[in-house]
Amino acid sequence: DIQMTQSPSSLPASVGDRVTITCRASQSIISFLNWYQQRPGKAPKVLISAASTLQSGVPSRFSGSGSGTDFSLTISSLQLEDFATYYCQQSYSPPWTFGQGTRVEI
Amino acid sequence: EVQLVESGGGLAQPGRSLRLSCVASGFMFDNYAMHWVRQAPGKGLEWVSSINWNSGSIDYADSVKGRFTISRDNAKNSLYLHMNSLRGDDTALYFCTKDFGGDYYYNYMDVWGKGITVTVSS
Repeated sequence: DIQMTQSPSSLPASVGDRVTITCRASQSIISFLNWYQQRPGKAPKVLISAASTLQSGVPSRFSGSGSGTDFSLTISSLQLEDFATYYCQQSYSPPWTFGQGTRVEI
Repeated sequence: EVQLVESGGGLAQPGRSLRLSCVASGFMFDNYAMHWVRQAPGKGLEWVSSINWNSGSIDYADSVKGRFTISRDNAKNSLYLHMNSLRGDDTALYFCTKDFGGDYYYNYMDVWGKGITVTVSS
């Protein structure tokens, strides 16, 4: 199985901060890496697919990069609604595995 | 509006069974692969099972293999998860999700239901 490791697990931040979350795969997943946002009490929502493709309706302050085993999600200027938990997920080989999550908190 | 609505959750005793259902609307259900993903209380996301558009390809997480069965009825725009031999560690919020494509390799989950709670306890 491909293990996905996110860091950090929690990220204290303030409105306006630039934040970066990293995700490392235990083997190459090329660019088959997706990022999801989950607000408290809500279902996850896809932000970025294929490592860097921003989903329709997602603000441009979100961006993704990386390939192979190392990936990152960057929020260029944190807004209040961005305080949430973020998960990476590989779609290269089943079982489809998620990172453990990164909680962005005030 | 694209929508997924789960039902069938609740309280079950260890060793018993439950069947989750997910009704889809707002898109051509029979064109897309579907998934079940769960989230134990206070924990992260765990993929459970996937089925492609025509039920020709199915995968399960090792934690549920042999106990859970995923199925779909395209005529009813419905996805199911039959859960047998339930255990305490199956307690979770179960999400029905739609895949971007008809086959679930290399894709992503672009629509999520609100989730349904399953609690396994005596």
